[in-house]
Amino acid sequence: SQKIEQNSEALNIQEGKTATLTCNYTNYSPAYLQWYRQDPGRGPVFLLLIRENEKEKRKERLKVTFDTTLKQSLFHITASQPADSATYLCALRNSGNTPLVFGKGTRLSVIA
Amino acid sequence: DGGITQSPKYLFRKEGQNVTLSCEQNLNHDAMYWYRQDPGQGLRLIYYSQIVNDFQKGDIAEGYSVSREKKESFPLTVTSAQKNPTAFYLCASSRTTGGGNSPDHFGNGTRLTVT
Repeated sequence: SQKIEQNSEALNIQEGKTATLTCNYTNYSPAYLQWYRQDPGRGPVFLLLIRENEKEKRKERLKVTFDTTLKQSLFHITASQPADSATYLCALRNSGNTPLVFGKGTRLSVIA
Repeated sequence: DGGITQSPKYLFRKEGQNVTLSCEQNLNHDAMYWYRQDPGQGLRLIYYSQIVNDFQKGDIAEGYSVSREKKESFPLTVTSAQKNPTAFYLCASSRTTGGGNSPDHFGNGTRLTVT
């Protein structure tokens, strides 16, 4: 069956360090992979989208990689800040207009 | 500002009552989606619609119903047949042109409590 796994339920890091979150998938061939941030009691907010033929995408302190051979995406936040504390969701989409399929998320806590 | 509006933010109902959650978007998006989120769970798809007057069941459609009479609106009804309706409900929309090469936009959710 199709499965999306985000490596840990929770991740604690020190301020200033790089946070690395992992998203692995099985029995799925996504054309697009997206990362979202969700704060408590709020809807997810889009961060980055990467296509299957792209290896890496960057936006300010954020970087995402996409390895379709390993079936894995890594999401990095450099120079992390307490304000980066949130739940981060990985989501996949097939080509076409199919709905996103989400992982369960990783709750990141950046400690000052 | 364009966006998605979900109302109300909090909703309380007695068991056995149907309840309708509102979702409106002014992004001119063709596709709209309803997800349910439970503690420690990812988002699970209830229903989606890619065009007015058409919608498809998602993974957990039982006990729910939707309508799509207008492009801007995609209300979700939680019926008394839904066994565990207490949850956080999220509505989203996206463009359908471009084949998925654009992000989805989410509302800020409705927290439904049924007692």
